[in-house]
Amino acid sequence: DTGVSQDPRHKITKRGQNVTFRCDPISEHNRLYWYRQTLGQGPEFLTYFQNEAQLEKSRLLSDRFSAERPKGSFSTLEIQRTEQGDSAMYLCASSPDEYSGNTIYFGEGSWLTVV
Amino acid sequence: AQKITQTQPGMFVQEKEAVTLDCTYDTSDQSYGLFWYKQPSSGEMIFLIYQGSYDEQNATEGRYSLNFQKARKSANLVISASQLGDSAMYFCAMREDLMDSSYKLIFGSGTRLLVRP
Repeated sequence: DTGVSQDPRHKITKRGQNVTFRCDPISEHNRLYWYRQTLGQGPEFLTYFQNEAQLEKSRLLSDRFSAERPKGSFSTLEIQRTEQGDSAMYLCASSPDEYSGNTIYFGEGSWLTVV
Repeated sequence: AQKITQTQPGMFVQEKEAVTLDCTYDTSDQSYGLFWYKQPSSGEMIFLIYQGSYDEQNATEGRYSLNFQKARKSANLVISASQLGDSAMYFCAMREDLMDSSYKLIFGSGTRLLVRP
């Protein structure tokens, strides 16, 4: 499978615990994005990487959230001291550098439930 | 700021019939792009179709077509010959440019489509 891969697919955690999600983009895609989707809503942009550089961060990304892409390949999204309001699906997406296409490719998402 | 509005929370369609999913948008930009994505229960967002604001023709991709009415700021998705596998959430989205040549997507709240056999 050469699509965007996310792990774990589902995570249940207790309030106050830390969680980390991993995203492996499509090979050779330099651009990587994280979105968050709550029930009944469309995805909301969280952050964007060009290679290892984090170029854009949404105000939705509070201090408890940190995203990294250390070698410009896979990325991690960590949530510290989780709250019930963090329960959502976290979607990762990637796209190629050149502006040849108008498509951002999404993974299947990581579901987070905070109890 | 960009905004996408989808006013139909849910829609039913009979198998093999056509269905239109509504989308209106708000932007002050002259150049913009509109997308439709399908999200089945597995969660993945599947790209369906794209319309650029300067495209003269309405976009078509197989059974999907986009009814683009610029003056009305609407970009409705038309699915012809509905199939059971079309049952899913459908999201309309608009491109918002980032500092480099990339962009982020602004999504609407979605429409759940159920295809009846």
